[in-house]
Amino acid sequence: NAGVMQNPRHLVRRRGQEARLRCSPMKGHSHVYWYRQLPEEGLKFMVYLQKENIIDESGMPKERFSAEFPKEGPSILRIQQVVRGDSAAYFCASSRWGAANTEAFFGQGTRLTVV
Amino acid sequence: DQQVKQNSPSLSVQEGRISILNCDYTNSMFDYFLWYKKYPAEGPTFLISISSIKDKNEDGRFTVFLNKSAKHLSLHIVPSQPGDSAVYFCAAVHSGSARQLTFGSGTQLTVLP
Repeated sequence: NAGVMQNPRHLVRRRGQEARLRCSPMKGHSHVYWYRQLPEEGLKFMVYLQKENIIDESGMPKERFSAEFPKEGPSILRIQQVVRGDSAAYFCASSRWGAANTEAFFGQGTRLTVV
Repeated sequence: DQQVKQNSPSLSVQEGRISILNCDYTNSMFDYFLWYKKYPAEGPTFLISISSIKDKNEDGRFTVFLNKSAKHLSLHIVPSQPGDSAVYFCAAVHSGSARQLTFGSGTQLTVLP
C-alpha cells in the first residue's frame, strides 16, 4: 500500500511562471490537505479538500493560488505567476476520514524554488 | 499569532537518557494534539497523539503528557536513541475547524551516541 505520493520532489520555476504540484493520496483516502513550510518555520495549513470539493481554504493566499481534487486523478496545487516568496516546501497529507482524531499521513513534499 | 509554540529550537541529549520536548498552546478550543517526527527531505511522520479528555498517552518509548490548565504538552522519549534525532513538531486540532492541523515551529532533537 503506497503512501502519499507527491511529485515532483523538486521544482524550479522562474518568477512569473506557473507551478503545478501533484498529490496522490493513499489508497482509500478521500480527504487531502495541503501545507506549506517556509524555511525555519513549522507547517502552515493551506487547504482541505475532498473529492471535487474544497472544504476549507482559509489558509490559501487570496490570489495566484488554487487547489483541486478531481473525481479522478491526483490533487493539484497550482501557483500562478510565482514570486520568490513562494519558495518553500509544500506538503500534502491524506486521511481516510475527516474527523479530528483521524491520523493524516504526509507525503515527502515538493520543494519549490523560484529563481 | 502563533497558537502553538515550541520555544526550544534545539535539544541535545545523550543516548539512553530521557528526551523531553515541550509545546504550549494558546487556543482553548484545541481538543486533540499530535506529535510528528520529521527527517530532512522527508514529510512529517505521525508519532503519537492525545485527546483533551486524557492527560497521558503512552506508546512504547514515547509518552505524551497534557496539562490542560497550563495549556502545555510534552513528549517524553525514553530511552533516547541516535535514530530519534530529527525535528519534532507539535500540532493541535480544533475538531470544529474542518480538521486543519496547527503546527509549532519544531524542535531539532539530537541524540548523541
